[in-house]
Amino acid sequence: SQTIHQWPATLVQPVGSPLSLECTVEGTSNPNLYWYRQAAGRGLQLLFYSVGIGQISSEVPQNLSASRPQDRQFILSSKKLLLSDSGFYLCAGDRVNTEAFFGQGTRLTVV
Amino acid sequence: GDSVTQMEGPVTLSEEAFLTINCTYTATGYPSLFWYVQYPGEGLQLLLKATKADDKGSNKGFEATYRKETTSFHLEKGSVQVSDSAVYFCALSDPNAGNKLTFGGGTRVLVKP
Repeated sequence: SQTIHQWPATLVQPVGSPLSLECTVEGTSNPNLYWYRQAAGRGLQLLFYSVGIGQISSEVPQNLSASRPQDRQFILSSKKLLLSDSGFYLCAGDRVNTEAFFGQGTRLTVV
Repeated sequence: GDSVTQMEGPVTLSEEAFLTINCTYTATGYPSLFWYVQYPGEGLQLLLKATKADDKGSNKGFEATYRKETTSFHLEKGSVQVSDSAVYFCALSDPNAGNKLTFGGGTRVLVKP
């Protein structure tokens, strides 16, 4: 079955520092991949999604970027974190006509 | 673009009460519809799904019916338990949008003994 490995589980970073969150997929190939953010008290907001290597769609303007250097690797980055970047980041994947599968998430606190 | 709207929480219930969480959607295509659940301290997991009009998804006593005429997929359970306390997310996958997953805002449900 498909699984997503996402790390780290928790992260505390100072304002202005860079960020790199990585998720890798096992058990399937050519998935759609997603980065969601769940800010405190709010729902899941789609940040980026990718249908293939090097193909990234951004849903909302923000201080973050995403890359997909390999089919099963999806990276979320920032050059300089803001306080407002704090939240719960979730990597997810799916394929046509199959249910989505999720990583365990990363709780990011920017201080 | 696609969107999912679900009732805001938190919803607080007593054990054995009836639960309804409303969900409506807009989509350019003919989407599949899902309910996901996030129990405290855990990741998201699929609760149930429906892929075409009038389909009923069911699992763990929860049910939801795909209503194309009202673009709705309301989640119901006849008698909730404390263990049903979680955040519930309605979602759609639209084939006209590359099967991109779109989530609602989530509804936190708290069941008290």
